[in-house]
Amino acid sequence: EADIYQTPRYLVIGTGKKITLECSQTMGHDKMYWYQQDPGMELHLIHYSYGVNSTEKGDLSSESTVSRIRTEHFPLTLESARPSHTSQYLCASSEYWSTDTQYFGPGTRLTVL
Amino acid sequence: GENVEQHPSTLSVQEGDSAVIKCTYSDSASNYFPWYKQELGKRPQLIIDIRSNVGEKKDQRIAVTLNKTAKHFSLHITETQPEDSAVYFCAPGGGTSYGKLTFGQGTILTVHP
Repeated sequence: EADIYQTPRYLVIGTGKKITLECSQTMGHDKMYWYQQDPGMELHLIHYSYGVNSTEKGDLSSESTVSRIRTEHFPLTLESARPSHTSQYLCASSEYWSTDTQYFGPGTRLTVL
Repeated sequence: GENVEQHPSTLSVQEGDSAVIKCTYSDSASNYFPWYKQELGKRPQLIIDIRSNVGEKKDQRIAVTLNKTAKHFSLHITETQPEDSAVYFCAPGGGTSYGKLTFGQGTILTVHP
């Protein structure tokens, strides 16, 4: 079944650690996005991609980086995690551009101690 | 960029009542107007969308109306049920913020049995 997968679902780490949040989709979509969301609050776009080898920064300043080497894979990396990075991270994809349905993954809930 | 405001931030109704959530946006070039529903602990999911060549769209108990002149669109839920309890987000797109949706702050809807 076509879907978006995120791993891990929950992560608790110490300050200063390097982490990578994984996102994979089997939807066949070119467009992918990363959002940061505190529980029940608005979604803030932190990175997006038009397709392979394309990455753009979103509206919310973020110390994370992304890569898009394969269509189906869009990982997000934090080089040095801090307590301010504690949040939920949602990955999404869409077939067309900003006038099309975005399909979201289940999210990764990150806690940095 | 797009500025989006959603009202009210919280809404409490009795089962069977109607609920209306309004979204105001700033980019007059926006041409895509979706509403997403996020249940507690779940991922956001599109529930209805409308494009700028249409003034109203209905899908069973939910409807969206658009007023492009005033730059606002609204979500209408009739005959509310407890399972409608969730956070609802508007996310206008397709305008000058090319390639991105801008999510509103969210409305917490609680339907009391």
